Amino acid sequence: QVTLKESGPVVVKPTETLTLTCTVSGFSLSNVRMGVSWVRQPPGKALEWLAHILPHDGISYSPSLKSRLSISKEISKSQVVLTMTNMGPVDTATYYCARTVEYYYYMDVWGAGTTVTVSS
Amino acid sequence: QSVLTQPPSVSAAPGQKVTISCSGSSSNIGNDYVSWYQHLPGTAPKLLIYEDDKRPSGIPDRFSGSRSGTSATLDITGLRTGDEADYYCGTWDVNLRAGVFGGGTKLTVL
Repeated sequence: QVTLKESGPVVVKPTETLTLTCTVSGFSLSNVRMGVSWVRQPPGKALEWLAHILPHDGISYSPSLKSRLSISKEISKSQVVLTMTNMGPVDTATYYCARTVEYYYYMDVWGAGTTVTVSS
Repeated sequence: QSVLTQPPSVSAAPGQKVTISCSGSSSNIGNDYVSWYQHLPGTAPKLLIYEDDKRPSGIPDRFSGSRSGTSATLDITGLRTGDEADYYCGTWDVNLRAGVFGGGTKLTVL
């Protein structure tokens, strides 16, 4: 059974850096067809794609957030880490990680999400 | 402002059919496969359709998808109250080099 679980702080202060971890099980991050994406949903708003890390396609970021995002993976720990610098109130959202199929870019299994509030 | 355009809401009676549209451009829907997701508040989004018209295991055939040109549609037949959710289309944009979603469509089953 494939599962993904997001973890990280519940509250961050403005200007701080957010670090989120996605721990996967049921598949390997060394899989040649599968990677991980991060998606967020601010309260009352739509899903927003943030970044992915894929075996062949590599790393891509949302153009509007590229300067603030960094994604990496540690295969031995089955973890994908997303960092977002200079957090602000507009970054308050539920953050999801999802397994992503290389070349076709669909997300077939999602984590339950973790809610992050930016507040002083 | 989402890259892909969806109607904010659709509604229909139980047992009826509803169609949700997703409009894009030559750099996204016109160039790559479309996927559809069902999202109930407080839960993880669920993949409904991938590669335009394929259903993952466990998704009933009441859900179907199609793509033509720079648009895609999701059809849901035999509507049930349990289908009430937000539905999102998604794809890859080759110009942005980024994933993109629609703004979401809220389905109400009257």
